[in-house]
Amino acid sequence: GQQLNQSPQSMFIQEGEDVSMNCTSSSIFNTWLWYKQDPGEGPVLLIALYKAGELTSNGRLTAQFGITRKDSFLNISASIPSDVGIYFCAGQGPQGGSEKLVFGKGMKLTVNP
Amino acid sequence: DAGITQSPRHKVTETGTPVTLRCHQTENHRYMYWYRQDPGHGLRLIHYSYGVKDTDKGEVSDGYSVSRSKTEDFLLTLESATSSQTSVYFCAISERIQNIQYFGAGTRLSVL
Repeated sequence: GQQLNQSPQSMFIQEGEDVSMNCTSSSIFNTWLWYKQDPGEGPVLLIALYKAGELTSNGRLTAQFGITRKDSFLNISASIPSDVGIYFCAGQGPQGGSEKLVFGKGMKLTVNP
Repeated sequence: DAGITQSPRHKVTETGTPVTLRCHQTENHRYMYWYRQDPGHGLRLIHYSYGVKDTDKGEVSDGYSVSRSKTEDFLLTLESATSSQTSVYFCAISERIQNIQYFGAGTRLSVL
């Protein structure tokens, strides 16, 4: 089945630093989504990308839909303590015939004040 | 926040007992999903529903069954819980299968 490779798996940074993470796939996706999960809670959508090459910002977050449609990245600028959590990428078909979301395994972010 | 309520939020049970988790939505979305989340595996789809009484299997459906008798409720049942089913379970909803999924707060299940 389809798989997403999300990297890095974890990061430890100082408050104020920028963070970059990415997801790659062997399959083409029509949609890329980025979620954040706080401890003890469910994933919350941060950014949705629908078009190859699209660059979208949401406050200090910026995400891009790769030109090949097989990758996406998320940047967080000037990190703050509340950025702590697990960040997931998710891709959605149609390659392979499945329109269900495929999730990366997540990137755990720790921010030291 | 999307109107999704999962119950219970926490449950401890013994091996071999039946367990039912409930997901209730107030958004009238057609699609509902059950995922489990385990360290090193991320979110894995158990079952999903595309309408009342219409369900299909996900990638880790063995040992689980689901039912959807009303648009707003999607039940996940472990007929005979095993320790390997200790996990955090998330419900999600979407208007269409191509649409963004919104997640509930999760149910933490421990099978002893």
